[in-house]
Amino acid sequence: QLQLQESGSGLVKPSQTLSLTCAVSGGSISSGGYSWSWIRQPPGKGLEWIGYIYHSGSTYYNPSLKSRVTISVDRSKNQFSLKLSSVTAADTAVYYCARETRIFAFDIWGQGTMVTVSS
Amino acid sequence: DIQMTQSPSSVSASVGDRVTITCRASQGISSWLAWYQQKPGKAPKLLIYAASSLQSGVPSRFSGSGSGTDFTLTISSLQPEDFATYYCQQANSFSFTFGPGTKVDIK
Repeated sequence: QLQLQESGSGLVKPSQTLSLTCAVSGGSISSGGYSWSWIRQPPGKGLEWIGYIYHSGSTYYNPSLKSRVTISVDRSKNQFSLKLSSVTAADTAVYYCARETRIFAFDIWGQGTMVTVSS
Repeated sequence: DIQMTQSPSSVSASVGDRVTITCRASQGISSWLAWYQQKPGKAPKLLIYAASSLQSGVPSRFSGSGSGTDFTLTISSLQPEDFATYYCQQANSFSFTFGPGTKVDIK
C-alpha cells in the first residue's frame, strides 16, 4: 500500500527558503499516470494547492505562488521535494504531500508537517 | 483562475439526518469535482471523485452529483463519525482549487 511521509524543517526564518521532502513507500514515484502534489493549510483555514510534478518531470504551480515555488523529484530516493523561497508569516501552515491520479483527485495523502515562519 | 464557493459554511445536524452541501465553480469544470472529509489534526480523505464516483472503501451513504458549475454532496443518514469538515476541489487546466469548506457539527 502506497504511503507518503513529509519531512523537513518545522521552523523557518522570514525571508529564508522553506524546504520539505515527501518520501514515497510501497510504490514507485516513476509509475506512469500519477502526479505528486504539495498542498498546504494555514492554522484554522482551508486547503491551498501549491503545485505538482508529473512522473515525467513536468511541473505546474499555483499562479499565486509560482514565482517562489520549486518542486523537484529524486527518483533514486523515490521522493519529491518542495522549496518555497522568501517566506513570510503567511506561509505558516501544515504542508501535505499527496498523489493525484487520472481521476483529477488526491487519493493518497501524507500525514502533514507543520511549518512555522518566525524569527 | 477558477474560484470555488461552498454553502453552507457550517451546518448543525443530528445523527440520522440527511445533509446536503453545495459547491459552485466560477466557470464550468465539466465533472472534474472531488469531495473530501477532514477531521481535526488529520489529512483530508477522498470521498467522491469525478462529481459522482464513490472512492473505494467510502460508505454508500455518501453521494455526489452535478456537472458544469453546480455540485452537491449528500450524506443520506448522518453517522457519529461523519462530523467533520468537507471540502470540494476542482481540477481544470493543470490547476486545482479547493472550496472554503463546510463544517458539519452536532446539533
